[in-house]
Amino acid sequence: SQTIHQWPATLVQPVGSPLSLECTVEGTSNPNLYWYRQAAGRGLQLLFYSVGIGQISSEVPQNLSASRPQDRQFILSSKKLLLSDSGFYLCAWNPTSGLAKNIQYFGAGTRLSVL
Amino acid sequence: AQKITQTQPGMFVQEKEAVTLDCTYDTSDPSYGLFWYKQPSSGEMIFLIYQGSYDQQNATEGRYSLNFQKARKSANLVISASQLGDSAMYFCAMTPGGGADGLTFGKGTHLIIQP
Repeated sequence: SQTIHQWPATLVQPVGSPLSLECTVEGTSNPNLYWYRQAAGRGLQLLFYSVGIGQISSEVPQNLSASRPQDRQFILSSKKLLLSDSGFYLCAWNPTSGLAKNIQYFGAGTRLSVL
Repeated sequence: AQKITQTQPGMFVQEKEAVTLDCTYDTSDPSYGLFWYKQPSSGEMIFLIYQGSYDQQNATEGRYSLNFQKARKSANLVISASQLGDSAMYFCAMTPGGGADGLTFGKGTHLIIQP
């Protein structure tokens, strides 16, 4: 069965520090991968998505970047965090074939606090 | 552009009663998918149910059903025989059909089941 792992679960970082959040998917190949951010009390906002290794599409210009160095690995980064980067970050994947190909499945999320 | 509107910020329902969570959408895409996700206090987004825009029948998954009214652009979630464990945030979401686009989410409904 397929599983998605996201870490760390919680992160507290000072303003101006770098960021690296990692997401991996197991039990599938060539998934579509996504990064979302959820502000407190709000719905999710799509940040980046990827349809393959090295292919990244950005939805919202901001202080973050994403990379996909391997087929089932998706990384969210920042060189210098801002206070406004605080939030709940969720990674998601969906299969590219089969009956469930339209359904996105989410990781457990990372709560990021920038102080 | 796609838009999801959830007009119920919060709902209180007695245990064992049925509950309907409202969702209306707006899109110019002829093909699209509609989703409902549950987010408990832990934060993880749990997929509940999916409806494709060309599906003839309303989707059902156990106690969950999606009341899809295409002409009215509504996709309400119905939970039958509510349980205490159903207390959570519920998000309606949509995506254009056939591609790798991310989900557009509504602002959510906070459902509280009372004993």
